[in-house]
Amino acid sequence: QKEVEQNSGPLSVPEGAIASLNCTYSDRGSQSFFWYRQYSGKSPELIMSIYSNGDKEDGRFTAQLNKASQYVSLLIRDSQPSDSATYLCAVNIAPRAGGTSYGKLTFGQGTILTVHP
Amino acid sequence: NAGVTQTPKFRILKIGQSMTLQCTQDMNHNYMYWYRQDPGMGLKLIYYSVGAGITDKGEVPNGYNVSRSTTEDFPLRLELAAPSQTSVYFCASSSVRFGEQYFGPGTRLTVT
Repeated sequence: QKEVEQNSGPLSVPEGAIASLNCTYSDRGSQSFFWYRQYSGKSPELIMSIYSNGDKEDGRFTAQLNKASQYVSLLIRDSQPSDSATYLCAVNIAPRAGGTSYGKLTFGQGTILTVHP
Repeated sequence: NAGVTQTPKFRILKIGQSMTLQCTQDMNHNYMYWYRQDPGMGLKLIYYSVGAGITDKGEVPNGYNVSRSTTEDFPLRLELAAPSQTSVYFCASSSVRFGEQYFGPGTRLTVT
């Protein structure tokens, strides 16, 4: 099992629809969860962080965290063509025995989202 | 406020050459990271630092070295470049452990 796994894409939604991106993680002790957006040829841009169970809303974006089920999701309401990008989930994963973490994040492989007019 | 800056933006190396990728942040962050991203893949951690003078290996450290003499700078050294090191390299920084990481614009490296 991968430490951080995202739903395979690509995901295509019509303009105005809700895009749903999912991420599961392996470590029950994880505390920090992030969603990054990455446009082609650009660097990852932080769009959401969530640390507690439940929902966190920021504009058209909602992050949902369920630690018991070990998943975190990102909903994008009223999707726009400008939302077309790769979305990366990042989680702090505890190190294997004998290792240290020092704030390292583990990234999923990304989900490509295309919003078509 | 520039955030995280990286130089160069692009570079082509011949096999066996060496180079240093520069990374500077002006946010006074203690934590700094180097990642590589291969086409269609996620980010793999190369090295990280929790403060000046303290560095440690990530998932894929072979063929790379780092140093951290100041809070602001975290250069990545490639020795004896190999085609497998062709990738996009990102530097990131964070103010706290397990906190939000902010990325630089990246360096696209090709080794031929």
